[in-house]
Amino acid sequence: SQTIHQWPATLVQPVGSPLSLECTVEGTSNPNLYWYRQAAGRGLQLLFYSVGIGQISSEVPQNLSASRPQDRQFILSSKKLLLSDSGFYLCAWRALSSYNEQFFGPGTRLTVL
Amino acid sequence: AQKVTQAQTEISVVEKEDVTLDCVYETRDTTYYLFWYKQPPSGELVFLIRRNSFDEQNEISGRYSWNFQKSTSSFNFTITASQVVDSAVYFCALSEQSDSWGKLQFGAGTQVVVTP
Repeated sequence: SQTIHQWPATLVQPVGSPLSLECTVEGTSNPNLYWYRQAAGRGLQLLFYSVGIGQISSEVPQNLSASRPQDRQFILSSKKLLLSDSGFYLCAWRALSSYNEQFFGPGTRLTVL
Repeated sequence: AQKVTQAQTEISVVEKEDVTLDCVYETRDTTYYLFWYKQPPSGELVFLIRRNSFDEQNEISGRYSWNFQKSTSSFNFTITASQVVDSAVYFCALSEQSDSWGKLQFGAGTQVVVTP
């Protein structure tokens, strides 16, 4: 069966510090991978998606970047965090053979102070 | 433009009451997929159901049921005999076949609060 991991679970960082959030998927090959952010309130905002190693598409220009160094690894980064980067970050994967259902990781709660 | 509308921000019910969550979508694709996800207080989004546009059969899974009506572009979700564990935010989402990346477009979510 497939599982998706995210770490860390929670993170408190000062403004201007760097960020690296990691997501890994097990039990599947060549998944599509997605990063979402959920800010205060409930809305889910798609940040990045990837269809393969080194292939990243950005939905919203911002202070963040993403990379996919391995087939089942997706990393969200920032060189300098802003207060507005605070939120709940969710990683998700989709099998290419699916009807587009995505499966989500446990999330990382980021607080920028 | 918002493609998935969940007009109910929050619904509060007493345990054992039924609760129906509305979802209205908009798309020009003839083939599309609709989803419901549950987000409990822990934060993880849990996949509940997928419906294909070419399958209008309603579905029941335990206390959960879904009513898909293409004529009104709605995909409503009913929890029967609600329980405290049903307290969560529920999201409806749409994926269009024309989007080859399989992106989901989420509604704003409906907070369900079930009190004992």
